[in-house]
Amino acid sequence: QQQVKQSPQSLIVQKGGIPIINCAYENTAFDYFPWYQQFPGKGPALLIAIRPDVSEKKEGRFTISFNKSAKQFSLHIMDSQPGDSATYFCAASNSGGYQKVTFGIGTKLQVIP
Amino acid sequence: GAGVSQSPSNKVTEKGKDVELRCDPISGHTALYWYRQSLGQGLEFLIYFQGNSAPDKSGLPSDRFSAERTGGSVSTLTIQRTQQEDSAVYLCASTWGGGPSYEQYFGPGTRLTVT
Repeated sequence: QQQVKQSPQSLIVQKGGIPIINCAYENTAFDYFPWYQQFPGKGPALLIAIRPDVSEKKEGRFTISFNKSAKQFSLHIMDSQPGDSATYFCAASNSGGYQKVTFGIGTKLQVIP
Repeated sequence: GAGVSQSPSNKVTEKGKDVELRCDPISGHTALYWYRQSLGQGLEFLIYFQGNSAPDKSGLPSDRFSAERTGGSVSTLTIQRTQQEDSAVYLCASTWGGGPSYEQYFGPGTRLTVT
């Protein structure tokens, strides 16, 4: 059972474009939603995270939008750059448990010059 | 400070052989996780350690897979009688585990190829 559904699996945008990655979850006990960024040959690294009591969070060019009623959240990358080319994972966690993080399938983003 | 390290970085083995993958977490991190990353499969949870105990082994795909952690630090993932479907990148992550800190720090992974 895929508890965090992520789409698309791959995405190609031109430099300056705004790629959008979408995720949906089923478990209403999830209360923390991080995004991880992974470059080839490296492990994933935390990029940005949001809690369900806010609808939007921005850090630099990265924005998370959160829709609690729809159980959906998305990552937007403003003014995308070739250096943003990486695989992005959305995830969800439940503070009532042992902080197990459930990851989406990942989105491979390519930003072309 | 030093991050999470994993060794070896690459491992090629013949089908049927046993392999051991090592993870050194960040010093002081009490929680440790193993994941498997296969093409098109995302990050598949394998096992979670809190200290030296493993309260959640639910992700281990078969009894050929086992893991241990000693001294609340280093962890070893062992795969016995490897099969071609075991080929993947095995990632280790750690967190301090002492409170609501959900940031997992990942190592660079071990790429396992079973021929």
